[in-house]
Amino acid sequence: KNEVEQSPQNLTAQEGEFITINCSYSVGISALHWLQQHPGGGIVSLFMLSSGKKKHGRLIATINIQEKHSSLHITASHPRDSAVYICAYMNYGGSQGNLIFGKGTKLSVKP
Amino acid sequence: GAGVSQSPRYKVAKRGQDVALRCDPISGHVSLFWYQQALGQGPEFLTYFQNEAQLDKSGLPSDRFFAERPEGSVSTLKIQRTQQEDSAVYLCASTLPIPGRGYNEQFFGPGTRLTVL
Repeated sequence: KNEVEQSPQNLTAQEGEFITINCSYSVGISALHWLQQHPGGGIVSLFMLSSGKKKHGRLIATINIQEKHSSLHITASHPRDSAVYICAYMNYGGSQGNLIFGKGTKLSVKP
Repeated sequence: GAGVSQSPRYKVAKRGQDVALRCDPISGHVSLFWYQQALGQGPEFLTYFQNEAQLDKSGLPSDRFFAERPEGSVSTLKIQRTQQEDSAVYLCASTLPIPGRGYNEQFFGPGTRLTVL
């Protein structure tokens, strides 16, 4: 069972729309990551957050640690935002620090 | 280099063939991770190195998978006698600090897409 659940799995939006992607997880964590993966595979870290909200340009990430839920919002979406968005948390068990990933949300923004 | 690089970017192998996938982490990065990403799935952890020491290989799916990082920089993931279920994107990531001691961003390579026919 995947410990990180994302919704929706697929999302199609018109350019300019406000986008929300949700992430819920089942274990206690200290920080959550949001990452972006473009076709071709490369993954880029967008946010690491442990509480509240972070904003970078048109991207906003929020987290509620008690409710084990995070959201990624994109304002004024653009076709170049089309990508897979993945949430993940860091496994601090032992000496690892590897990431435990959700399956991702595939976003397609139409012009 | 400026980022994590991986080679080859694409590899097609016949079933039963051995393959070797290379990862060049960011210079000086202590920690290196290998992940496997099947089509339509999120990446899954394979193995972790701290310098040259392989501290965790619990994610390797079978004994056909072997990884090494002999000098604490470049790493190679080797898959012996490849099977069709090995087809996936293999991602490498590196990070500077030792994990478990703060929030550490992992920097990912572009991945190697392996197709086993």
